Amino acid sequence: DAGVIQSPRHEVTEMGQEVTLRCKPISGHNSLFWYRQTMMRGLELLIYFNNNVPIDDSGMPEDRFSAKMPNASFSTLKIQPSEPRDSAVYFCASSLWGSGGLLGNEQFFGPGTRLTVL
Amino acid sequence: AQKITQTQPGMFVQEKEAVTLDCTYDTSDQSYGLFWYKQPSSGEMIFLIYQGSYDEQNATEGRYSLNFQKARKSANLVISASQLGDSAMYFCAMREGSGNQFYFGTGTSLTVIP
Repeated sequence: DAGVIQSPRHEVTEMGQEVTLRCKPISGHNSLFWYRQTMMRGLELLIYFNNNVPIDDSGMPEDRFSAKMPNASFSTLKIQPSEPRDSAVYFCASSLWGSGGLLGNEQFFGPGTRLTVL
Repeated sequence: AQKITQTQPGMFVQEKEAVTLDCTYDTSDQSYGLFWYKQPSSGEMIFLIYQGSYDEQNATEGRYSLNFQKARKSANLVISASQLGDSAMYFCAMREGSGNQFYFGTGTSLTVIP
C-alpha cells in the first residue's frame, strides 16, 4: 500500500515567490496534518483537517500561509510570498480518526518536503 | 503547560546495552494514547509503539517497550540491546480522547556507540 505521498521532495525558491506543497493521504484516512520542522523550533503543527474540514489552524505562522483540502485524497499548503525564515522540512501526516476504539491509530508521515527559500 | 515533555536533548548508549528515553505528559482526559516515533538522519518519521491510557500491560514491540506509569504521567521508551541503527531522534507524542490533535515532544537524540 502506498503511504502518504508528498511533492515535491525538495524545493528551492527565491524570496517573494509562491510555493505550493502537495500531499496525498493514505486512502481511507480522514484526518490530515501539516507540520513544519526546523532545528530551532522542532516539530510544529501548522494545521489539521478532519473529514476535509480545517479544525485547528492556530499553528499557521501568518497570513502568508494557507492550506486547503478540497477532497479526501488531496491537500495543499501554500506560502505566498515566501521568506527565507520559511526554510524548513514540511511534513504531511494522515490518520484514521473517530470515536470509540480509534484512539490508538497512529499518524503516518509522508517523507517531507525540504523547502529552501533564498 | 507543555503537553509532552522530553527532558533529555541527547543520550548516548553503548551498543548492545539498554537505554531509557524519558517522556512525561500532561492531560486531564481519562482517555488518551501515547506514541513513540523514530526519526533517523534520513528524515522520515517512523512509528514505533503505542500505549493506551486504559491498557494495564506495558506495550512491547520487539526490542521496544514502553514503561507506562500512569500515576506519574510518564511513558518512557526502553530500547533493549541497542544497535547502531538505533541512532536517531526519538519523539514522544500524545493524542487525547477529547480531540484528534497529536502533541509531540521536543525529541531526544540517541547515539549508539560501537
